[in-house]
Amino acid sequence: DAGVIQSPRHEVTEMGQEVTLRCKPISGHNSLFWYRQTMMRGLELLIYFNNNVPIDDSGMPEDRFSAKMPNASFSTLKIQPSEPRDSAVYFCASSLAILGGRDLEETQYFGPGTRLLVL
Amino acid sequence: DQQVKQNSPSLSVQEGRISILNCDYTNSMFDYFLWYKKYPAEGPTFLISISSIKDKNEDGRFTVFLNKSAKHLSLHIVPSQPGDSAVYFCAASGRGFQGGKLIFGQGTELSVKP
Repeated sequence: DAGVIQSPRHEVTEMGQEVTLRCKPISGHNSLFWYRQTMMRGLELLIYFNNNVPIDDSGMPEDRFSAKMPNASFSTLKIQPSEPRDSAVYFCASSLAILGGRDLEETQYFGPGTRLLVL
Repeated sequence: DQQVKQNSPSLSVQEGRISILNCDYTNSMFDYFLWYKKYPAEGPTFLISISSIKDKNEDGRFTVFLNKSAKHLSLHIVPSQPGDSAVYFCAASGRGFQGGKLIFGQGTELSVKP
């Protein structure tokens, strides 16, 4: 299995530009998570999907952030317009979540991350 | 409100000695806990987990202890090796966290010196 795939790995853009981050989860997984890592806040959950449906987007910082999951094998996180304070590493993770289950199937597997720098 | 806390941002240990990383949580609904390890420029990778029905889980050099009454868990690495140098994240999940949501701590950077 290829694992969670994220693109691009690095993105440098200017303030005000639109940024789109992409994620391909592990095949067969039914939950997908977007995280942001910064020095100040650590690893914070932005939004997550279960069976392609957004379950909790309370971590999305502002309306400038949006995420979609049009099918089970693809998700995007979009920032429009981008600001310097959005500079961070953005991780995508996927898992096979079984409601009521409590086992390794719920382990989240992370992609390598996208390092975003907004100038 | 930080539901999962790792109060030590960094830890330095000599090779061969024990590394103990600590994690505290506040939500009594948490019933599943995990440790992730992260190297620079890589995503976090799963290390070990424990269910609230247990108080200890061991996997090779790694052991996780859970003290539910104190809402505290710890990760022990024995013996520590230089390759263990990384950032370690504690995470928690619970009933009602539909879809497998995890709450992560801030991370502790472990440095194992030869």
